[in-house]
Amino acid sequence: DQQVKQNSPSLSVQEGRISILNCDYTNSMFDYFLWYKKYPAEGPTFLISISSIKDKNEDGRFTVFLNKSAKHLSLHIVPSQPGDSAVYFCAANQGGSNYKLTFGKGTLLTVNP
Amino acid sequence: DAGITQSPRYKITETGRQVTLMCHQTWSHSYMFWYRQDLGHGLRLIYYSAAADITDKGEVPDGYVVSRSKTENFPLTLESATRSQTSVYFCASSEFDVRPQHFGDGTRLSIL
Repeated sequence: DQQVKQNSPSLSVQEGRISILNCDYTNSMFDYFLWYKKYPAEGPTFLISISSIKDKNEDGRFTVFLNKSAKHLSLHIVPSQPGDSAVYFCAANQGGSNYKLTFGKGTLLTVNP
Repeated sequence: DAGITQSPRYKITETGRQVTLMCHQTWSHSYMFWYRQDLGHGLRLIYYSAAADITDKGEVPDGYVVSRSKTENFPLTLESATRSQTSVYFCASSEFDVRPQHFGDGTRLSIL
């Protein structure tokens, strides 16, 4: 049973436009969510996170939105740049003494010049 | 340079062999993790460690052994490698708890 789902395996956008990556979760105990970016032959790199007490967190061109009632979060990248082309992973944590991050399968974002 | 280093980057071995993947971090982070990444599964946690001499199982621990005698090192051993353990393995560390985690560049392991 996959608790964190990224239903779009890939997404293609034009440079300068907005990229929206989506993530759904099923475990209502998750209270912290993270996005990681991964380039080929490299490890994932932390991008941005959000606690369940918030519904939005912004860092430069990256904004994460959390809709707890829908168990849905999204990552917005504005404006998209060719260097943003990578696989994006959504991850969730239950908090407390739970040390586990549960990852989605990832979405490959391609930003075309 | 400070960071997290995995070795080797690539490894080919045969079924039944023992193989150890190394992970070294220079931040003195308390928490360390091992993940495997397979097509169609994202990243799955194998083992984690909250401090030296404290380790615990993750989601897919079968066939793996870990140790953490020093804070900076967290080796992962496949005692008798199987083809199903062909994967890309990532080590990660974090300072206070699980979030965020800082990842190494991975070890691509092929078992023939």
